[in-house]
Amino acid sequence: GQSLEQPSEVTAVEGAIVQINCTYQTSGFYGLSWYQQHDGGAPTFLSYNALDGLEETGRFSSFLSRSDSYGYLLLQELQMKDSASYFCAVGNNAGNMLTFGGGTRLMVKP
Amino acid sequence: NAGVTQTPKFRVLKTGQSMTLLCAQDMNHEYMYWYRQDPGMGLRLIHYSVGEGTTAKGEVPDGYNVSRLKKQNFLLGLESAAPSQTSVYFCASSKVGSGANVLTFGAGSRLTVL
Repeated sequence: GQSLEQPSEVTAVEGAIVQINCTYQTSGFYGLSWYQQHDGGAPTFLSYNALDGLEETGRFSSFLSRSDSYGYLLLQELQMKDSASYFCAVGNNAGNMLTFGGGTRLMVKP
Repeated sequence: NAGVTQTPKFRVLKTGQSMTLLCAQDMNHEYMYWYRQDPGMGLRLIHYSVGEGTTAKGEVPDGYNVSRLKKQNFLLGLESAAPSQTSVYFCASSKVGSGANVLTFGAGSRLTVL
């Protein structure tokens, strides 16, 4: 099976940088993804890492280390609208199923 | 381009009643999924489908059935609703291969079972 661990809550101030970590234990692995969900909304895709290293998309970056079963999402120049829950997710070996972590609630303060 | 559409958005059921949630996608995606999300928790996979006419069990399939008669539609059924099935249900779809990590979600269906 798959299990993922991420912090339940993180608080940061506007303009700062925040890192949300994710560790996983899997019987198979097909990439690490990150999703954002605002209260009352649907999850939306942010980024995907299939290989080790850093992927950058604007203010957001995601990192993966397969040997450490670890990844993180880095959010720079935080804005109030970044207040949301962030979920990491791993794909299974067959590449047809995603398992999600419990989510990290990010609160951005002025 | 509507993406993924779920109906209904809200529903209240009494214990023992049955209902069907409908999911439709217009992106020609092969894979479709049903997740449930309970307050303060992540998404748990109920059932999924890798193509028309195929379905498979996810992490929490008990009490639910699904059907994928057409590529664009994925139905989730509750035969005899229980209070433990009170949740927000999300349908999602994706392409095959590495694209399967990029899910497009519907807006969600909030179900309350009394």
